[in-house]
Amino acid sequence: EPEVTQTPSHQVTQMGQEVILRCVPISNHLYFYWYRQILGQKVEFLVSFYNNEISEKSEIFDDQFSVERPDGSNFTLKIRSTKLEDSAMYFCASGEGQYFGPGTRLTVT
Amino acid sequence: AQSVTQPDIHITVSEGASLELRCNYSYGATPYLFWYVQSPGQGLQLLLKYFSGDTLVQGIKGFEAEFKRSQSSFNLRKPSVHWSDAAEYFCAVYGSGNTGKLIFGQGTTLQVKP
Repeated sequence: EPEVTQTPSHQVTQMGQEVILRCVPISNHLYFYWYRQILGQKVEFLVSFYNNEISEKSEIFDDQFSVERPDGSNFTLKIRSTKLEDSAMYFCASGEGQYFGPGTRLTVT
Repeated sequence: AQSVTQPDIHITVSEGASLELRCNYSYGATPYLFWYVQSPGQGLQLLLKYFSGDTLVQGIKGFEAEFKRSQSSFNLRKPSVHWSDAAEYFCAVYGSGNTGKLIFGQGTTLQVKP
């Protein structure tokens, strides 16, 4: 069964550094998403992406965040200058939000 | 605005007992509803979803959920819980805007006693 994959599984970075989280969505899906889950809290929507552009973004998704689909398979989330409060699990999803990857745990020190 | 409420933060049941996890939603139109399970340190696995049609939906791992419009609820049930069902369960609804984004509830942690 096809699945969404994410790399790395765990990323540790220092405050102020840039990070790129990578996702490979299911190949025939057209909608892609990023969500985050701060430890012990609920899953929150960040951004949706369709037809090579952002279709919707939340208040969390400020100018520090960007998304890209650099080729036909990868879907990336970039955080330009990480803050301590960006520490969370980041999930990629595809297929109108229904299929989630295993997540990347981002730790900002 | 759409929202999802899971009234029970933590539930403990004995292995073999029945389970019902509650979910209430707030949505103006016909909702598209989902249940996900998350084991510790793992991603979100889709258990089942309701889009339309039969209000009793069957999912994986022996779970089912019933959509009740009059009560704005989509409760998850399982007749006999196994120890491996211990996990966190999230109810979610499609948000507005037709982008397929999901609005999640706070989650219910299920503990299973031997």
